[in-house]
Amino acid sequence: GAVVSQHPSWVICKSGTSVKIECRSLDFQATTMFWYRQFPKQSLMLMATSNEGSKATYEQGVEKDKFLINHASLTLSTLTVTSAHPEDSSFYICRPNQETQYFGPGTRLLVL
Amino acid sequence: AQKVTQAQTEISVVEKEDVTLDCVYETRDTTYYLFWYKQPPSGELVFLIRRNSFDEQNEISGRYSWNFQKSTSSFNFTITASQVVDSAVYFCALSDGGTSYGKLTFGQGTILTVHP
Repeated sequence: GAVVSQHPSWVICKSGTSVKIECRSLDFQATTMFWYRQFPKQSLMLMATSNEGSKATYEQGVEKDKFLINHASLTLSTLTVTSAHPEDSSFYICRPNQETQYFGPGTRLLVL
Repeated sequence: AQKVTQAQTEISVVEKEDVTLDCVYETRDTTYYLFWYKQPPSGELVFLIRRNSFDEQNEISGRYSWNFQKSTSSFNFTITASQVVDSAVYFCALSDGGTSYGKLTFGQGTILTVHP
């Protein structure tokens, strides 16, 4: 079946640094990738939708200049958290539009 | 706009008890899809079920069963004879716009704790 991978699974960084999270669809092509964020003890909230070869669309309240999304190929979408701050500490999860049940395993980001 | 409400924030049961997790949704679309996911402590979302708006048949899968009622906009999830391994956060989610591949709107989640 379809598999989605994310890298890294865990990242700890200092405030002010940038962190890149990769989401790969391993055996299928994803024209669209959804990026979700989950703060501790909260639900998943959609941050943005990336489309292969075009600009991502961001949900209201999500800073597009802070969360850079690139979907350069049909198997790879990346989310870069620029100038990360402690309030960006969260669990980031991707999901392709091919098969709804498949989410990436998630990336836990801790900004010190 | 679509909305999913899981009124139960936390549920605690003793092993072998049956437990029902409630989910109520709102959407203006006539075609939509409903989902349940399990999130264990590892964080990875585990898909449990997808149901489209035209299929109101209840479904049973092992100890799991789902009751979909369009008249009350509810899609409840029952675990029969609960086990400690069922302890997790459970999310109900909605995808409207006529596709199951679109954006998912999640409920707030229900934390289920099953005690031995």
